[in-house]
Amino acid sequence: KAGVTQTPRYLIKTRGQQVTLSCSPISGHRSVSWYQQTPGQGLQFLFEYFSETQRNKGNFPGRFSGRQFSNSRSEMNVSTLELGDSALYLCASSLSRLAGGPRETQYFGPGTRLLVL
Amino acid sequence: AQTVTQSQPEMSVQEAETVTLSCTYDTSESDYYLFWYKQPPSRQMILVIRQEAYKQQNATENRFSVNFQKAAKSFSLKISDSQLGDAAMYFCAYRSAGLENFGNEKLTFGTGTRLTIIP
Repeated sequence: KAGVTQTPRYLIKTRGQQVTLSCSPISGHRSVSWYQQTPGQGLQFLFEYFSETQRNKGNFPGRFSGRQFSNSRSEMNVSTLELGDSALYLCASSLSRLAGGPRETQYFGPGTRLLVL
Repeated sequence: AQTVTQSQPEMSVQEAETVTLSCTYDTSESDYYLFWYKQPPSRQMILVIRQEAYKQQNATENRFSVNFQKAAKSFSLKISDSQLGDAAMYFCAYRSAGLENFGNEKLTFGTGTRLTIIP
């Protein structure tokens, strides 16, 4: 079974631009989570989507947004880029079974490295 | 809010030896999961091992095992017979469980421990 894929792998943007990152989960996985990894702040949770609905959101400004499509693929968008948005953006997927069932582990993609100049 | 602390920024071990990475966490919840993830230079986050809080038995996966002390809120990772391929950043992570946390997939990570293997 193919793993989580993320595109593009590398991206260079300038301040003020906007960017869209894509994540395709493992086949059958319905939950997609996004994380930002920086040397200063470490790994921080951005948001999580399940069945096209945002279920959980981290403490990030409104410039960070996302969505999920009916095939569970997800995109995240960052508008008005700032230098501090330079980071590795990781996507993770899981089965997220129904309440009462066992929780599944999150599996991560290779990440998108974003550099803002 | 939950917090995860990894107090060892860097560790090194001789190849074929055993090393233990430390992790402590703070939570008021009784039902949760704990994970160790490995991030090699490729930056791909790879699951090493996971532990359900309701299970008293420590999880093991081949050369990797954990020492889970729920009362002490401690979750250390032991790597036996260390290999060159084990060199990576290791992150400890927490996730809430229980019915009241249904839909909460958020992982809270520690700051990581960089493990170097000495040939």
